[in-house]
Amino acid sequence: EVQLVESGGGLVRPGGSLRLSCAASGFTFSSYWMNWFRQAPGKGLEWVANIQHDGRAKYYVGSVEGRFTISRDNAKNSLFLEMNSLRAEDTAMYYCARAFSTDYWGRGTLVTVSS
Amino acid sequence: DIQMTQSPASLSASVGDRVTLTCRASQDISNYLAWFQQKPGKAPRSLISAASSLQGGVPSRFSGSGSGTDFTLTISSLQPEDFATYYCQQYDTYPHTFGQGTKLEIK
Repeated sequence: EVQLVESGGGLVRPGGSLRLSCAASGFTFSSYWMNWFRQAPGKGLEWVANIQHDGRAKYYVGSVEGRFTISRDNAKNSLFLEMNSLRAEDTAMYYCARAFSTDYWGRGTLVTVSS
Repeated sequence: DIQMTQSPASLSASVGDRVTLTCRASQDISNYLAWFQQKPGKAPRSLISAASSLQGGVPSRFSGSGSGTDFTLTISSLQPEDFATYYCQQYDTYPHTFGQGTKLEIK
């Protein structure tokens, strides 16, 4: 059974940093593109970033470019999102999801940016 | 960025109804379109990829069609568990963008 479990969310002050993790199981992690999505409270879904199966290619939405870094550790079946210079508008539930076309989602981890 | 426009924004329907949701892209995205279902307080669920390919475990009453700029998601006979918000997403061009969602409500 495919499982994706996010962790690392919490309350952080504007300008602060946070590192999200996603633990994957039930499939060959190293064979798949992986994504991060987010959803601000009461709003729609937004794609944030994705990373190629071997980590060579990474892509970001413009609003996080230069502040967020997606990475992965295929030996540990883990996906990460390093978030720096956080802003109030980054407040959202963050989801990791499998595959370029997205087939499985985790349950999410909540990030709140507030003073 | 490619703009994805979903219509209607909300829809009231009854159990057993056939409903069709529409998603339009601002430029040609071939068939690089996915549909997702989300219930309040829950993570999204993937329904369809490549415009018309049903994800594993998704009931056959769901179907998708379209290519280029115009796409539809059809539910052939609404069940109580289908009342939710539905999103389309293009993954042809970065950044991958979503429609604003269609909220399907019980009449």
